[in-house]
Amino acid sequence: GAGVSQSPSNKVTEKGKDVELRCDPISGHTALYWYRQSLGQGLEFLIYFQGNSAPDKSGLPSDRFSAERTGGSVSTLTIQRTQQEDSAVYLCASRVAGGNNEQFFGPGTRLTVL
Amino acid sequence: AQSVAQPEDQVNVAEGNPLTVKCTYSVSGNPYLFWYVQYPNRGLQFLLKYITGDNLVKGSYGFEAEFNKSQTSFHLKKPSALVSDSALYFCAVGGNTPLVFGKGTRLSVIA
Repeated sequence: GAGVSQSPSNKVTEKGKDVELRCDPISGHTALYWYRQSLGQGLEFLIYFQGNSAPDKSGLPSDRFSAERTGGSVSTLTIQRTQQEDSAVYLCASRVAGGNNEQFFGPGTRLTVL
Repeated sequence: AQSVAQPEDQVNVAEGNPLTVKCTYSVSGNPYLFWYVQYPNRGLQFLLKYITGDNLVKGSYGFEAEFNKSQTSFHLKKPSALVSDSALYFCAVGGNTPLVFGKGTRLSVIA
């Protein structure tokens, strides 16, 4: 079946511009996560959606970062006024309900801020 | 707070030899432990997990991992390495909470 998809696969933007990254989770997966992978920082958690509950935003690095999940499916991560340190690969993952279930990751969006 | 440590940045092994990628964890309560692999320019692929039960967990591509509660370890193993196993491996702890990842270990299998 279809896995987690993300778009765009690559995004190059200028410092100060806003960007939107999209994640389509696996159908039926109630939990959705955003992570960031950057050199020297490893994999960092950003935000977590579980069903209709309020999202866990504890990993967002600044108020320039926000995310939403519409209709319990597609999610968009928005970065406002991008900075060079935002350059990274942004990974989305989803899983079915139940904490003992593994997360399935998308291929990621590579963001480069010039 | 949960954490995992992967003490080796790089592991080199000859093709056909057994491989081990090390991981230790720190959690309060019972851990949910995972191993993921990342090939170049790809997302993370799930290999295996430990939730409860047998300490030896078998996963994809012939990999297995041994949960050791006394040593708080969850080392990834494979009896005979392949060149195609060369990739970046991540250990993670989590469950209903977001995964906390180790820094990753780069495995190079040399023909």
